[in-house]
Amino acid sequence: EVQLVESGGGLVQPGGSLRLSCAASGFTFSDYSMNWVRQAPGKGLEWIAYIRSGGNTIYYADSVKGRFTISRDDAKNSVYLRMSSLRDEDTALYFCASDLESWRYWGQGTLVIVSS
Amino acid sequence: EIVLTQSPATLSSSPGERVTLSCRASQSVNNYLVWFQQKPGHAPRLLIHDASNRAAGIPARFSGSGSGTDFTLTISSLEPEDFAVYYCQQRNNWPLTFGGGTKVEIK
Repeated sequence: EVQLVESGGGLVQPGGSLRLSCAASGFTFSDYSMNWVRQAPGKGLEWIAYIRSGGNTIYYADSVKGRFTISRDDAKNSVYLRMSSLRDEDTALYFCASDLESWRYWGQGTLVIVSS
Repeated sequence: EIVLTQSPATLSSSPGERVTLSCRASQSVNNYLVWFQQKPGHAPRLLIHDASNRAAGIPARFSGSGSGTDFTLTISSLEPEDFAVYYCQQRNNWPLTFGGGTKVEIK
């Protein structure tokens, strides 16, 4: 069974940092690209980061470029999102999604609240 | 950045009715257009990929069409479990973008 499980969310002050993790199982993780998508409370979906299988190609949304860093560890079947210089508007539920079967598989999300 | 405009923002309908949701792109996305369904408190669920291909396990009442800039998601006969928010997403250009969503609510 394919599973994606995010963790690492929480309450952080503006300007602070946080690292999110997404642990994958049930498929050959190293073969697939991974994405992070977020959803602010009551709002729509926003794609924010992508890392290709192998890790050599990375893209970011302009809203997070220079502040967030996506990475992966194929030995641990995990993808990460390092978030720094956090702002109030980064408050959201953060999902990871695999390119496996065209983004059929998503995690349940981890909530990040940026507030003083 | 490609902007996806979904219409209507809200659609009020009854079980058994046929509904059509629209997604218009600011420039061509070829057929790299995907539809998701999302219910409160849940992750999005993939319905349609590459504009018209149903994902595994998706009922036949869901169908997608279109290419270029104009796309449509049709639900042929609404079931109670279909009341949700629907998003389109383009994967033709970086950054990937989502539409603002269409909420299908019970009339």
